[in-house]
Amino acid sequence: AQKITQTQPGMFVQEKEAVTLDCTYDTSDPSYGLFWYKQPSSGEMIFLIYQGSYDQQNATEGRYSLNFQKARKSANLVISASQLGDSAMYFCAMKLFSGGYNKLIFGAGTRLAVHP
Amino acid sequence: GAGVSQSPSNKVTEKGKDVELRCDPISGHTALYWYRQSLGQGLEFLIYFQGNSAPDKSGLPSDRFSAERTGGSVSTLTIQRTQQEDSAVYLCASSFLTGAGQETQYFGPGTRLLVL
Repeated sequence: AQKITQTQPGMFVQEKEAVTLDCTYDTSDPSYGLFWYKQPSSGEMIFLIYQGSYDQQNATEGRYSLNFQKARKSANLVISASQLGDSAMYFCAMKLFSGGYNKLIFGAGTRLAVHP
Repeated sequence: GAGVSQSPSNKVTEKGKDVELRCDPISGHTALYWYRQSLGQGLEFLIYFQGNSAPDKSGLPSDRFSAERTGGSVSTLTIQRTQQEDSAVYLCASSFLTGAGQETQYFGPGTRLLVL
């Protein structure tokens, strides 16, 4: 079965420090994409970063980078130089590219709190 | 440009009443998704529309839930005879399918539904 696991319900980080949010996934499909979304208290889901299963390099977008370890089926999000505005829920999600799957499969999320 | 918009932002209804939730996708996006997010949970896929193809309804939890998409743009999610367990945030997302792999879904702010 396709599944996303986020084992950290909550994380704390000091402002300006880096933090890693864990995500592991389960699929036997060779072709898939992995996404990270941020959900602040306002409720809107904000796309952060994408990693394709065939991408050779880890994705980076500004302060966000994705530590993609395909053999371990993990796609951890690294936020560098944390800011107070990074406090939010973070969701890891997966989309399969075969078999007619049209949906994103989400993990349960990690709540990040950035402390001054 | 304008993002995904949803209305109403909040809806309180009585058990047994019908509700309609509206989604306006990003102009030009061919795919539209509905998800449900219960309190403190990740997102649960409900239904997917792509162009003129038959919708993927595999995530609808019961026959009380239905959705339509008129003219390939605006979508309405209808919940008939609402139950208290329908209380959740209903999120709409749209995307432009390129067939080249990454297809980022952009989310609206959601409709918070409370069934009393």
